[in-house]
Amino acid sequence: QVQLQESGPGLVKPSETLSLTCIVSGASITSYYWGWIRQPPGKGLEWIGYMYHSASGNTKYNPSLKSRVTMSVDTSKSQFSLKVNSVTAADTAVYYCAKLGTNYYFDYWGQGALVTVSS
Amino acid sequence: EIAMTQSPATLSVSPGERVTLSCRASQSVISNLAWYQQKSGQTPRLLIYGASTRATGIPARFSGSGSGTEFTLTISSLQSEDFAIYYCQQYKTGVNFGQGTRLEIK
Repeated sequence: QVQLQESGPGLVKPSETLSLTCIVSGASITSYYWGWIRQPPGKGLEWIGYMYHSASGNTKYNPSLKSRVTMSVDTSKSQFSLKVNSVTAADTAVYYCAKLGTNYYFDYWGQGALVTVSS
Repeated sequence: EIAMTQSPATLSVSPGERVTLSCRASQSVISNLAWYQQKSGQTPRLLIYGASTRATGIPARFSGSGSGTEFTLTISSLQSEDFAIYYCQQYKTGVNFGQGTRLEIK
C-alpha cells in the first residue's frame, strides 16, 4: 500500500525558506513522478510542482511559484523535498505531497502538513 | 495557463438524488481531466482520471464524462458519505484545479 508522510517545521518566519520532506513507502521512488499541492485555510487546491527522480523526466513548477520553488528527490532515502523561499503570509497553507499516476494526476496523497508563516 | 471553472459553487441535494457537477476548461484539455473528493478535514481522494476512468476502489455510482472543454461528474444516487467538496483538475498543460463544488445536505 502506497503511503506518503510529510514532515517539516510548522512555523516559518516571513522572508525565510519553507522546507518540507515527504517519505514514501509502498512504491519505488524511481518509478513514478512525485508532486506537491497546497491548500490555504478554507480555500481550494493549488498545484506547486511535480518531478521525476532523474533528469530523464520532466520537472514542472506552477509558473506563479516557479521563481521561489525547488523540488528534489533523494532515492537513497525514498523521499522527496520541497523548498519555497522568501515566504510571506500568503504561503500559509496545508502542504500535501502526492504520487502521480499514469499521467499527471495525483493518485496517492499524504495527510498534509500545515505550515504557518508568521513572525 | 488553462483556467478551470466549476459550477455551481454549492449544491444542496438530498440523499438518494442524482447529481451532476460541471467543470469547464478555458481551452481544450482533450481527456486530461481528473476529479477529486475532499471531505471536511481530510485529504483529497482521486475519483476519476482520463475524464471517465474510475480510480481504484471508487464506487460505480461515480461516473465522469466529457472531453475538450466540458466535463461532468455524476453521482447516480447520493449517499450520506458523498457530501464533500469536489474538485476537477486538468493535466494537459501543467496542472490547474477548479475552485471546487460543495455538495451539502438539503
